Amino acid sequence: NAGVTQTPKFQVLKTGQSMTLQCAQDMNHEYMSWYRQDPGMGLRLIHYSVGAGITDQGEVPNGYNVSRSTTEDFPLRLLSAAPSQTSVYFCASSRGGGAGGYTFGSGTRLTVV
Amino acid sequence: ELKVEQNPLFLSMQEGKNYTIYCNYSTTSDRLYWYRQDPGKSLESLFVLLSNGAVKQEGRLMASLDTKARLSTLHITAAVHDLSATYFCAVVETSGSRLTFGEGTQLTVNP
Repeated sequence: NAGVTQTPKFQVLKTGQSMTLQCAQDMNHEYMSWYRQDPGMGLRLIHYSVGAGITDQGEVPNGYNVSRSTTEDFPLRLLSAAPSQTSVYFCASSRGGGAGGYTFGSGTRLTVV
Repeated sequence: ELKVEQNPLFLSMQEGKNYTIYCNYSTTSDRLYWYRQDPGKSLESLFVLLSNGAVKQEGRLMASLDTKARLSTLHITAAVHDLSATYFCAVVETSGSRLTFGEGTQLTVNP
């Protein structure tokens, strides 16, 4: 049981490049979400999904796309990277209702130069 | 829109002392979570509070939830250096699914 797996752990991008951050969970959780963490700002919700085929925007969705074709995977796409997207990204998942808590991945540290 | 506020944001304590971190939120909720984060690491779940009056304890930490006051507290008893970390509360609105975080409380326990 691996929990929530994020890849890559570190990435450096040039401005304008695109990339996909991967998130996979093996707990059959319905809910998955992406957060970014910047110094002094806590965690801010980017996008979330309550099940396969269903996604919605969070607090800071601009510049990011998501899709949820399977229960297990929830990739986050940066369409055209900008320095403002330099951050640490966390993926989280939970069973519906959150009674068991939310499980977080180990994070992806992204630098856009 | 749900707002979650923690205070204090920075807390420097001496070992052996007690202190409380407060988490206020702006809309109705019956699901509140406390997390710990060490520098450069991910978030570690501490407590899941799912009803009014819920109280949970683990070691030197005790968390409680008052849904009527929209307030949760994280009480630290006889602090030790190993408790130095950033602590976050996070809330899900009633009938919602989005987990919204507070800004975090950076705790430093000095010998």
